[in-house]
Amino acid sequence: EDQVTQSPEALRLQEGESSSLNCSYTVSGLRGLFWYRQDPGKGPEFLFTLYSAGEEKEKERLKATLTKKESFLHITAPKPEDSATYLCALTNYGGSQGNLIFGKGTKLSVKP
Amino acid sequence: DTGVSQNPRHKITKRGQNVTFRCDPISEHNRLYWYRQTLGQGPEFLTYFQNEAQLEKSRLLSDRFSAERPKGSFSTLEIQRTEQGDSAMYLCASSWDRGYEQYFGPGTRLTVT
Repeated sequence: EDQVTQSPEALRLQEGESSSLNCSYTVSGLRGLFWYRQDPGKGPEFLFTLYSAGEEKEKERLKATLTKKESFLHITAPKPEDSATYLCALTNYGGSQGNLIFGKGTKLSVKP
Repeated sequence: DTGVSQNPRHKITKRGQNVTFRCDPISEHNRLYWYRQTLGQGPEFLTYFQNEAQLEKSRLLSDRFSAERPKGSFSTLEIQRTEQGDSAMYLCASSWDRGYEQYFGPGTRLTVT
């Protein structure tokens, strides 16, 4: 069964303290791995798509990387406005017709 | 384009009542998905449409749930005889095609009392 596991469940950082969020996955055939940001009471906001091991994407203070077993979301010098829940999801080449399989998310809090 | 929109944003209903939610996807997107999210969990897939055809349903989608996408534009999700366990955030997403990123709406928060 395809599965996504995110760690840690929660992460508290001081402003400027860089860190990484982990997304480990098992999948029959990875079609794409996605990162989303979700603020309380809102829908997920798309951040990145990664398709193959070794691929990297960057946006402002965020950088996503992908290996054959896991993905990392690196946050460099975070600011309080980066506080949110970060969700990892994947799609596969198997039976599911492109629906996203999500992890439970990492809740990030950045204190000034 | 203003993105994916959903209405209503919040719905409070009594157990046993029927409710209907609406989703308007990004206009050029062919695929439309419905997900359900409970507190502390990631979204879980319910069903999806390719244009007007409903092509897949999750085991989570009981017989009390029905979804439509007439003319391949907006979609509705109806829950009949609501139960307290139906309380959740219902999210709609759309994408250009399979494997492409999905863009989510703001969600409809359902509370069943």
